[in-house]
Amino acid sequence: EAGVVQSPRYKIIEKKQPVAFWCNPISGHNTLYWYRQNLGQGPELLIRYENEEAVDDSQLPKDRFSAERLKGVDSTLKIQPAELGDSAVYLCASSLSGQWGFSGSYNEQFFGPGTRLTVL
Amino acid sequence: LAKTTQPISMDSYEGQEVNITCSHNNIATNDYITWYQQFPSQGPRFIIQGYKTKVTNEVASLFIPADRKSSTLSLPRVSLSDTAVYYCLVGDLYGGATNKLIFGTGTLLAVQP
Repeated sequence: EAGVVQSPRYKIIEKKQPVAFWCNPISGHNTLYWYRQNLGQGPELLIRYENEEAVDDSQLPKDRFSAERLKGVDSTLKIQPAELGDSAVYLCASSLSGQWGFSGSYNEQFFGPGTRLTVL
Repeated sequence: LAKTTQPISMDSYEGQEVNITCSHNNIATNDYITWYQQFPSQGPRFIIQGYKTKVTNEVASLFIPADRKSSTLSLPRVSLSDTAVYYCLVGDLYGGATNKLIFGTGTLLAVQP
């Protein structure tokens, strides 16, 4: 079974330019997450989707970041304009459900390989 | 969500058993304890999860004392390929549509030959 797919794997842009990342979750997974991971730190949640609905975007910097999951499957995360501080790895993850304990089992999150963004 | 504290780094040699302890003094009644592993240039990967006592799978064991204020991830007979960052997380099992994982800085385990 294919895992979470992300593209591109690497992206280098100049500050003030726009950038977009794409994620295709594991088939059948209703919940999709975007994380940002700075060097030497653990991942931080940016946004979580249940199907096509964003149910937690409290950590998403909405002035420059946007995300969409129009058909409840794949998703795009965009930054416009990018700043130097946006350099990080952007991780996408998916799970069967956003609820812990669903059907009595933990809904493990499966992560993609990430996109490493460098803003010059 | 409960805050976790774990060592920044640990060293070991191949074939040894490694125990990584995580403190979570403010763990709530509904919180589960979960460990993830992350290799360089990869996303984190689920290792093991538990609520109390001991849980064992094909990869690791998780020991949780009765007060649940700490937990220990045990990796038997590590190899060079176990060199990675290990994250301890706690989360509300019945959070009402919440499945938020809060990662700390993790423990960098370096296994030497």
